[in-house]
This record gives sequence, structure tokens and C-alpha cells, in this order.
Amino acid sequence: AQSVTQLGSHVSVSEGALVLLRCNYSSSVPPYLFWYVQYPNQGLQLLLKYTTGATLVKGINGFEAEFKKSETSFHLTKPSAHMSDAAEYFCAVRGMDSSYKLIFGSGTRLLVRP
Amino acid sequence: DTGVSQDPRHKITKRGQNVTFRCDPISEHNRLYWYRQTLGQGPEFLTYFQNEAQLEKSRLLSDRFSAERPKGSFSTLEIQRTEQGDSAMYLCASSLDLQGASRTFGSGTRLTVV
Repeated sequence: AQSVTQLGSHVSVSEGALVLLRCNYSSSVPPYLFWYVQYPNQGLQLLLKYTTGATLVKGINGFEAEFKKSETSFHLTKPSAHMSDAAEYFCAVRGMDSSYKLIFGSGTRLLVRP
Repeated sequence: DTGVSQDPRHKITKRGQNVTFRCDPISEHNRLYWYRQTLGQGPEFLTYFQNEAQLEKSRLLSDRFSAERPKGSFSTLEIQRTEQGDSAMYLCASSLDLQGASRTFGSGTRLTVV
């Protein structure tokens, strides 16, 4: 079965500092991986996704993630945090079956200190 | 196209009552997914439709839950005899029927059972 583990339920950074949100996955087939952001009382917005090809994926709002097969990781980074980045972030892997359903991690809440 | 719409945004109901939520997907998307998200957790898959056919239901979807997508457009999710444990955010997402297709999520319906 596929699964996603997000290390750290809360991450706190200063404004302007590097953001690093960790995601490790388990999959017996080449994974399709996603990062979503959720603001309070909102749905999920896609930040970026990896399907095939280039392992460094660039997304919206200056975020990027690197797929590392050897480490089964897909960590999310941003060079300089902005106050507006404060939100909940979810990593997800696409299911193996034809439903293509997403299997989500438990999320990481990013706090940005002024 | 304004994206995926969900109605209502919030619902407070007494235990034992029935509730129904509606999801309007992006018009050209033939896949529609329902997820449930409890506080501090990532979304969990409930069920999905391809056009009007409901192709998979999670074991989380008890007999009190039913979902329909009668004409392959909007979908409804009904919960009968609500319980306090049903309190959650119910998210709808739609996508094209492609392996790497991104899911577009609605803003969700937050259900509170009192």
C-alpha cells in the first residue's frame, strides 16, 4: 500500500528564511507526487506536482520540490518565506489503481514569524 | 469557469438528522472525488465517480453515506442519521481522466453535528 509521511506537524520560520517541509513516500511503482496548500477554512490549492521527467519541480509562489527516488523523498522548499506563506501544507501520492485517488500525509502547519 | 463549487460552506445539524451536500465540478472534468478531512489530518478518500458511474467507495463510507452523480455533472453526498463523529470538512475535487491530471478542489463543506 502507498503512504505518505510528513515529518513535523508544525514548522516555524522567520520571514525571509528558508522554508523546508519534509515528505517521504512509500510506493511500489513510480510515484506521482503532489504538494497542496490549504488556508484556513479553504479547500486545497495545488502548489506543484511530479509525474515524470525532471526531478526538480517548480511550482507557484516560489515553491519547488525535488523528487529523490533513492531517498523516497519529495521535500518542499522556498528560499525566502513570506508572511502570506503561513498555511497548512499537504504532500500526496497518487494511488496505484485506476481511481488515481490521492493519498495524503497528515500535513505540516507552517508558521512565519515577523 | 469558476472552478469547483460546494454548497453549503457550513452546516450545523443535530445528531440524528440527515444532511446533503452538493458539489459542482469543472464542466469538462469527467472525474469527481469526495474526501473527508478531520481536524489536524489530511484529506481521506471517500468515493469517486467517472461520469455518472460511482466506481469506488472507501470503507470509511458507511451505509449511512450515499453519493450520486446522476447526469455526470454535479454530485451530492448525503449522510443519514448523522453522528458526532461525522463532524468534518467534506471536500470535493474534480479532474480529467488522465494519470497525471491535477485535481481541483472546492472550498469544502464544514459539517458540525451537535
